[in-house]
Amino acid sequence: GAVVSQHPSRVICKSGTSVKIECRSLDFQATTMFWYRQFPKQSLMLMATSNEGSKATYEQGVEKDKFLINHASLTLSTLTVTSAHPEDSSFYICSARPGGGTGELFFGEGSRLTVL
Amino acid sequence: GENVEQHPSTLSVQEGDSAVIKCTYSDSASNYFPWYKQELGKRPQLIIDIRSNVGEKKDQRIAVTLNKTAKHFSLHITETQPEDSAVYFCAAWGDYKLSFGAGTTVTVRA
Repeated sequence: GAVVSQHPSRVICKSGTSVKIECRSLDFQATTMFWYRQFPKQSLMLMATSNEGSKATYEQGVEKDKFLINHASLTLSTLTVTSAHPEDSSFYICSARPGGGTGELFFGEGSRLTVL
Repeated sequence: GENVEQHPSTLSVQEGDSAVIKCTYSDSASNYFPWYKQELGKRPQLIIDIRSNVGEKKDQRIAVTLNKTAKHFSLHITETQPEDSAVYFCAAWGDYKLSFGAGTTVTVRA
């Protein structure tokens, strides 16, 4: 199957700093990538849809100025958590699908963010 | 937007028994329904999926059924084993995105 890689897997930062998470599709091109957030013992909640070459589409309640998404190439999307606070501590997971359309979504390994 | 509801939230079964998880969705245009197994701290793993033009699909001990009219789909695991213990999520693809159910924590008792 297709491979989606995410980096870093774990990051600890101080409150007020910014953190960047990368999501790469290793063996396919992805015009669209999805960013999810998962708090402990909860489900995956879609934060935004990342579109190559255009602005991301954010879900209701997600602050676009706080969670900056850049999808500058067909294989890379980045999520930057700006001015992170302890309540932003979570598991962030990206996903993508080869060729668009309907079918299996492939997930990255996830990034565990801890804000002190 | 799509709303996916999943029940039960926890399920404890004796090894060898069957486990059933049920989900409903709200968007009649949704056309793809995957099921994921997630272990602690790991990414979700696809275990089976079904498209809207199919009513049932089976893969060894795992089966999924879909009732488009009622807008619900179910996961069936037969002959459960301790390694089946995990959190399971249903999901529905609609409106250009995948929405997840709340999850079911399955515990298989030896």
